[in-house]
Parts: sequence; structure tokens; C-alpha cells
Amino acid sequence: DTEVTQTPKHLVMGMTNKKSLKCEQHMGHRAMYWYKQKAKKPPELMFVYSYEKLSINESVPSRFSPECPNSSLLNLHLHALQPEDSALYLCASSQGSGAFSTDTQYFGPGTRLTVL
Amino acid sequence: AQSVTQLDSQVPVFEEAPVELRCNYSSSVSVYLFWYVQYPNQGLQLLLKYLSGSTLVESINGFEAEFKKSETSFHLTKPSAHMSDAAEYFCAVSEHTGGFKTIFGAGTRLFVKA
Repeated sequence: DTEVTQTPKHLVMGMTNKKSLKCEQHMGHRAMYWYKQKAKKPPELMFVYSYEKLSINESVPSRFSPECPNSSLLNLHLHALQPEDSALYLCASSQGSGAFSTDTQYFGPGTRLTVL
Repeated sequence: AQSVTQLDSQVPVFEEAPVELRCNYSSSVSVYLFWYVQYPNQGLQLLLKYLSGSTLVESINGFEAEFKKSETSFHLTKPSAHMSDAAEYFCAVSEHTGGFKTIFGAGTRLFVKA
């Protein structure tokens, strides 16, 4: 099973709402990532978890809050978002052992988020 | 700091014509190089990667890329384009110093015309 699943596929929320994005993998990977991708742009790294601990936070605003409850799950909690946060949010995972920089990242299909 | 430049935002080709998508990188240390492909409404998938050894790497669907250290390039080529190759292609680098951070280029949209 080389699949990363993400739910929901689409999400529309108001600026005062609280919502969560979910990501799941069952490949035994120990590194999980959140990326933000705006239209016609490359993915931008937001967060990296390694062995369920937050390893990288790319100066992301606090209205985005990641959580890694176990080695298979990664959540992104959203609160008080702005319209400019509308984007495709991609989750990825990788082996996460040894030389991390050689890892192939396996991406989910993404959640398309619209903030009204 | 590392950076990746994909020289063409769009590349149109006719079906069965050769394809070249260009990628140059900049880094003060040795790097690993990747090409990812993204089909519409999907996540990215690894196409091929260069870690070490032979500087020419191949994918299972006929693409190949050659690492040229002197030119700091990792261009992606295919001798004959198929309609199914139409997608967005991202070149990416990560540094030998380790860590999880992969830097992606801006992407090249490949259009294949009948």
C-alpha cells in the first residue's frame, strides 16, 4: 500500500470557523509533511513531523496548528483563516530514517480549501 | 541557500515529438535531485531521482534525466511524447547535509498536442 489519503477532498469555510484536515498513511513512514500549494505555484513546506515530533515549522501563522496523534495520522487544525489561505493543502510522507534528504516523498491528492 | 530554477513555465510539444524540461539548481553543498509529476487535481508523484552513481537516471515510463554537476543542471527528457504525459512537472533538490527540507522549482506545464 503506497497510498496517502487525505480528507476532505474539498472544504469551504468562513473566517470564523474551526475545521481540521486529516492525512493518513500505512506505509510505516516516520516522517510526515504538510505543504501549501497555490494555483500554478510549487508546493511550499509548512510543517514536518519526524517520529511524531514536530521537526520543522516554516514560520507558519498560528492559525494553522498541526498535530500528529500517531505514526500513521497527521492533522492540520484550522482556525480564523483568511481568504488568502485558500489553496490546495498537500500531505506527504517518507521513510524518515537514515538520510532523510534522499527520501522519496509520497503525496496525497490534497484538500482544496476555500476561505470565504 | 539552495534554489531551483525551471526555465520554462510551459512547454508545448506535438505527440511523438521529443520533450525537454529544463532544471538548474544552486547550492553551496552537494545535492540530491528529484523530478515529480502532478496530474490535474492530484498530488505529486516521484518520476525519478539522482542520489549518487550513474549521472543518467531513468523512469519506468520513458523519461530520463542527466545530472551535470559542471552545469548545475538536471534536465528531464523523453524521446517521444504521449498525450498521457501532459501534466505539471516539478524539479526539486535536497541537500546532502540532511534534514527534511526539499525545495521545489516553480514547475513546468507540459502540453501535448495531437
